[in-house]
Amino acid sequence: AQSVTQLDSQVPVFEEAPVELRCNYSSSVSVYLFWYVQYPNQGLQLLLKYLSGSTLVKGINGFEAEFNKSQTSFHLRKPSVHISDTAEYFCAVSAKGYKLSFGAGTTVTVRA
Amino acid sequence: DVKVTQSSRYLVKRTGEKVFLECVQDMDHENMFWYRQDPGLGLRLIYFSYDVKMKEKGDIPEGYSVSREKKERFSLILESASTNQTSMYLCASSPPELQETQYFGPGTRLLVL
Repeated sequence: AQSVTQLDSQVPVFEEAPVELRCNYSSSVSVYLFWYVQYPNQGLQLLLKYLSGSTLVKGINGFEAEFNKSQTSFHLRKPSVHISDTAEYFCAVSAKGYKLSFGAGTTVTVRA
Repeated sequence: DVKVTQSSRYLVKRTGEKVFLECVQDMDHENMFWYRQDPGLGLRLIYFSYDVKMKEKGDIPEGYSVSREKKERFSLILESASTNQTSMYLCASSPPELQETQYFGPGTRLLVL
């Protein structure tokens, strides 16, 4: 079975500052990795995903993530955040079959 | 754009009531999912359906059942609601391939009194 650990439950950040959200996973097989975002009072939407190939993945809204197989990590970064990036962010892993396993989420609060 | 809709954004029910949560997707996706979302726990899979009338239990199926009579519609049923089922419920759909994105509805926030 696979599992996901998001290392920070809350990340406060000032507008235009960089942000990094940390995600570690465990799995005995190769995985696909995803980051989803949930804006207030909305469902989840995909930010980016890693399937294979280049370990640096670029997503929507200026986000990117780097897959590190040796450290079993998939950290999400944005070089300069906006107020509109205030949301909850979920890392997820898929190893086989249909299941996505989600982390507990990281709440990002961007302040002016 | 894929659209996943859920019948209610907010519901208030009493303990012991039978509760139906409805989800409809318009992209002809084979897979549909029901999750519950609780603070500090992320999303946990309740049930999954990979075809009409087909279903599989997820990680926390106890106290829930599902129905999929048509490809576009997936219903979650709480046979006898309890206060510990107060939660946010999210429906999702996806094509069958493992690497495909799941598309989520806006969620139903259920309060059981």
